[in-house]
Amino acid sequence: DTEVTQTPKHLVMGMTNKKSLKCEQHMGHRAMYWYKQKAKKPPELMFVYSYEKLSINESVPSRFSPECPNSSLLNLHLHALQPEDSALYLCASSQISRTSGYQETQYFGPGTRLLVL
Amino acid sequence: AQTVTQSQPEMSVQEAETVTLSCTYDTSESNYYLFWYKQPPSRQMILVIRQEAYKQQNATENRFSVNFQKAAKSFSLKISDSQLGDTAMYFCAFGQYSGAGSYQLTFGKGTKLSVIP
Repeated sequence: DTEVTQTPKHLVMGMTNKKSLKCEQHMGHRAMYWYKQKAKKPPELMFVYSYEKLSINESVPSRFSPECPNSSLLNLHLHALQPEDSALYLCASSQISRTSGYQETQYFGPGTRLLVL
Repeated sequence: AQTVTQSQPEMSVQEAETVTLSCTYDTSESNYYLFWYKQPPSRQMILVIRQEAYKQQNATENRFSVNFQKAAKSFSLKISDSQLGDTAMYFCAFGQYSGAGSYQLTFGKGTKLSVIP
């Protein structure tokens, strides 16, 4: 099973709203990622969590706040977003194995399509 | 920094024919991985095939195969017996260990493939 789930599938929010995106995987992966993808562009990395700790923050504005409450869940809290933040937000996960070496393949969820009005 | 170049923004192929998508990359690293991901109109990123840089043998996955030329830093994808379901955006990606157990992907800009009935 290589399934990563994301909720909601679609989200429309105003610039003053607070909302959260959720990502879940039950593959035992210990690395989880948030990407932002604009139309007709490749995904851009936002955050990386390894062993539930933030390991990479690609200079993302503070209106995006990630959270990893446990090894299966990854949230992205949104507050005071701008219209240019409208995009597809993708979550991914990858395995880390101490015995067989690092597993590098990232498996992606279906994404949340966000529209900021 | 790594760069990934996909020189074909769009391609088309007749159903049941064979098509090859090009990808070149630039890196000074010796240990890395290469991937092809497919993103159909539904927008979910799906892993097509992966290649470890230390393996000389080209990866194969059913109708999908790669031509990996390490010295030339080339990684092309061949799709045999093209099917209508192969219509998608195809991203070539370079993966490298980024510390703390996670891998960072650098994506090319993508090639939009259309399979024509």
